[in-house]
Amino acid sequence: DVKVTQSSRYLVKRTGEKVFLECVQDMDHENMFWYRQDPGLGLRLIYFSYDVKMKEKGDIPEGYSVSREKKERFSLILESASTNQTSMYLCASSLIGAAGNTIYFGEGSWLTVV
Amino acid sequence: KNEVEQSPQNLTAQEGEFITINCSYSVGISALHWLQQHPGGGIVSLFMLSSGKKKHGRLIATINIQEKHSSLHITASHPRDSAVYICAVNPNTDKLIFGTGTRLQVFP
Repeated sequence: DVKVTQSSRYLVKRTGEKVFLECVQDMDHENMFWYRQDPGLGLRLIYFSYDVKMKEKGDIPEGYSVSREKKERFSLILESASTNQTSMYLCASSLIGAAGNTIYFGEGSWLTVV
Repeated sequence: KNEVEQSPQNLTAQEGEFITINCSYSVGISALHWLQQHPGGGIVSLFMLSSGKKKHGRLIATINIQEKHSSLHITASHPRDSAVYICAVNPNTDKLIFGTGTRLQVFP
């Protein structure tokens, strides 16, 4: 079974803190994605990576950065957390050429910034 | 206007009913995905379609490329089908555009 694992399910952080969300996949997928999901807005792409050390901004990259040093791991970084980053964060992975390949999601990380 | 629109937004049904969820999109696509999200967050891929129809158990997904429309059908619905169903499309790239989801509740 393909597994996409997000390291933290529930986090509470203070405004201004640096936050790391980690995601690991075990299927040698080239593509990895970070999304946030908010009520009424659906899933929105924050960043996308199609290879090690490669990254591409999504629709809402402001306030976020990412790191992909190894193929299986894609980290989302909030340099200085703010309350408007309170959300559910989902990591996903797929083989390259996902237009034609199944996408696999992690269980989600619920982040509250106070 | 969203590029991917789903209807209805909310749906309630009695156990055993036949259910249809619709998805319309306005961009050219290479594939359409139906996803299921249970309370707690995790999302599971149900189908990926580029043409025609696919069936898996009680679930059937169809797509009409010319009309830019897809439907997800659930036959003999069951309370365990209660979830949010999300339509997403690949607009000729590896990135997905998502609908906002349809919340389904099936009562015994």
